[in-house]
Amino acid sequence: GAVVSQHPSWVICKSGTSVKIECRSLDFQATTMFWYRQFPKQSLMLMATSNEGSKATYEQGVEKDKFLINHASLTLSTLTVTSAHPEDSSFYICSASGTGRTDTQYFGPGTRLTVL
Amino acid sequence: KQEVTQIPAALSVPEGENLVLNCSFTDSAIYNLQWFRQDPGKGLTSLLLIQSSQREQTSGRLNASLDKSSGRSTLYIAASQPGDSATYLCAVNTGNQFYFGTGTSLTVIP
Repeated sequence: GAVVSQHPSWVICKSGTSVKIECRSLDFQATTMFWYRQFPKQSLMLMATSNEGSKATYEQGVEKDKFLINHASLTLSTLTVTSAHPEDSSFYICSASGTGRTDTQYFGPGTRLTVL
Repeated sequence: KQEVTQIPAALSVPEGENLVLNCSFTDSAIYNLQWFRQDPGKGLTSLLLIQSSQREQTSGRLNASLDKSSGRSTLYIAASQPGDSATYLCAVNTGNQFYFGTGTSLTVIP
């Protein structure tokens, strides 16, 4: 089956720093990748949708200048949390769908971000 | 390792019927369980979130139940409508990782 990886699996950083999270499709070409986040005791919520080679589409209420998404290749998308603050502490998860798999999303294991 | 299974894989019902989607998981040590809706080419939409200490949650025509001891959750949809046609996913959160089911593809026939 299709495999999606995320790196790092967890990260702790100081307030004001930027953190980059990678999402990779290991055995298929991901034309579309989705980024989600889940705050403690809340639902997993879609942040943005990115298509390879084009700008990401952000959901309402998600700051595009704070959460930079780059989907430069068919196997890699990155989410950069810029100038992170404690309220950005969350669980971030990506999913990918691609050639021949447009109706199926494959999920990464997630990244837990803690901002001190 | 946690495994999440959804049955049936596909379901087709006439409009107006009540229906139940099933989700089972192998490890009862969960943090919460969520039900999502997925439309083709779109991201997931969260429908209901059940914390591990809860038994059920309701939102409109949707009701989700959770029985941790037996490793089961059900999503009940009342008075189905053609707009309910989508793929429904359940996901178990262990606190460290999500485990997703393979989904049930629902078609509601007008």
